[in-house]
Amino acid sequence: KQEVTQIPAALSVPEGENLVLNCSFTDSAIYNLQWFRQDPGKGLTSLLLIQSSQREQTSGRLNASLDKSSGRSTLYIAASQPGDSATYLCAVRLGPGVSNAGGTSYGKLTFGQGTILTVHP
Amino acid sequence: GAGVSQSPSNKVTEKGKDVELRCDPISGHTALYWYRQSLGQGLEFLIYFQGNSAPDKSGLPSDRFSAERTGGSVSTLTIQRTQQEDSAVYLCASSLVQGGGYTFGSGTRLTVV
Repeated sequence: KQEVTQIPAALSVPEGENLVLNCSFTDSAIYNLQWFRQDPGKGLTSLLLIQSSQREQTSGRLNASLDKSSGRSTLYIAASQPGDSATYLCAVRLGPGVSNAGGTSYGKLTFGQGTILTVHP
Repeated sequence: GAGVSQSPSNKVTEKGKDVELRCDPISGHTALYWYRQSLGQGLEFLIYFQGNSAPDKSGLPSDRFSAERTGGSVSTLTIQRTQQEDSAVYLCASSLVQGGGYTFGSGTRLTVV
């Protein structure tokens, strides 16, 4: 069964700091990995999608890396701002033809519990 | 549409009543997913539709839960005889292809009293 763990569970930093959020997964046979942001009471906003063949993706101040063989991904946020405060979720998708004990399809995402980020002015 | 639309945004219902939650995916997205997020919990997969294939219902928690997708577009998640433990935010997402990234709606917050 795919399990996704995010560390730390919560992080509080002053504005301007560079920071790293960590995500690890137990089954390396992933199809892709996606980082999301969730604001309180809102849905999920996609930040970055990394296909299994890719090593990293960048968007503005965000950079996500993927080490599929070791089952790890990191989300790097440069020059953090108070507006970055949110819950950050990592989610992985199994590859085609892979099924777990439940026999489920590879279509679904398995999410981590998230990292709650607070950036102080 | 421009994004994934869910309705209602909030629903309060009495225990034992049936509820229907609606999801309107991005036009042209063939894959549609329902997830549930309970207070203090992570996201829980419920059901997945892909084109005309049989849906993956492996995440539905009980037979009180059902979902359908009409015409390959709009989906309805139905919860019969609601219980207090059904209270959660129900999120819908769609994807252009199976390997693509997901786009989520804003969710329906369901409260069973």
